[in-house]
Amino acid sequence: GENVEQHPSTLSVQEGDSAVIKCTYSDSASNYFPWYKQELGKRPQLIIDIRSNVGEKKDQRIAVTLNKTAKHFSLHITETQPEDSAVYFCAASGAVNDMRFGAGTRLTVKP
Amino acid sequence: DAGVIQSPRHEVTEMGQEVTLRCKPISGHNSLFWYRQTMMRGLELLIYFNNNVPIDDSGMPEDRFSAKMPNASFSTLKIQPSEPRDSAVYFCASSQDRGKSSYNEQFFGPGTRLTVL
Repeated sequence: GENVEQHPSTLSVQEGDSAVIKCTYSDSASNYFPWYKQELGKRPQLIIDIRSNVGEKKDQRIAVTLNKTAKHFSLHITETQPEDSAVYFCAASGAVNDMRFGAGTRLTVKP
Repeated sequence: DAGVIQSPRHEVTEMGQEVTLRCKPISGHNSLFWYRQTMMRGLELLIYFNNNVPIDDSGMPEDRFSAKMPNASFSTLKIQPSEPRDSAVYFCASSQDRGKSSYNEQFFGPGTRLTVL
């Protein structure tokens, strides 16, 4: 089955700096790569996703890149703000609903 | 739509007791997922259903865990007997299966925080 690895496990940046979180996956059949944000005590919520026919996708300060050959994808947050502090999860889905999550990255944005 | 609904939100029980967690997926969604989240193991997929049929239960940790989906609007996750190491937050999520060529965003419920003493 799919195996997703995520790095780093913790990330601390200064407000205004950029943050990058990287994930690798094992199943070359995976074709859907969402990113979820989980604030303390709350549920994971989708913030951006990318499909395998696209190399990059942007939504305001958030962007995701995908390299299918290398089987890795990354989340980029620019101009970070304190409210970006949360745990971020990457995931990969190959079979229709067989989604596997990475271990999560705890991002702290210092004001 | 109210989103995915889970109950109870918090459950405290004693070791050996039966625990039943409940989930109502978003209306129209035909896939349902149960996850367990702990600090040590992160977010683990326990089981998922498609059109009320269990598709993959390889993540269910032991025979003490069982899940059912008797109809499209209700699912249960049962732990019998419960143990302290089962303490975790259990999330239910649902999605609409649009076929292999489409993405399937999962919408999470608020979770049930289970504490087994």
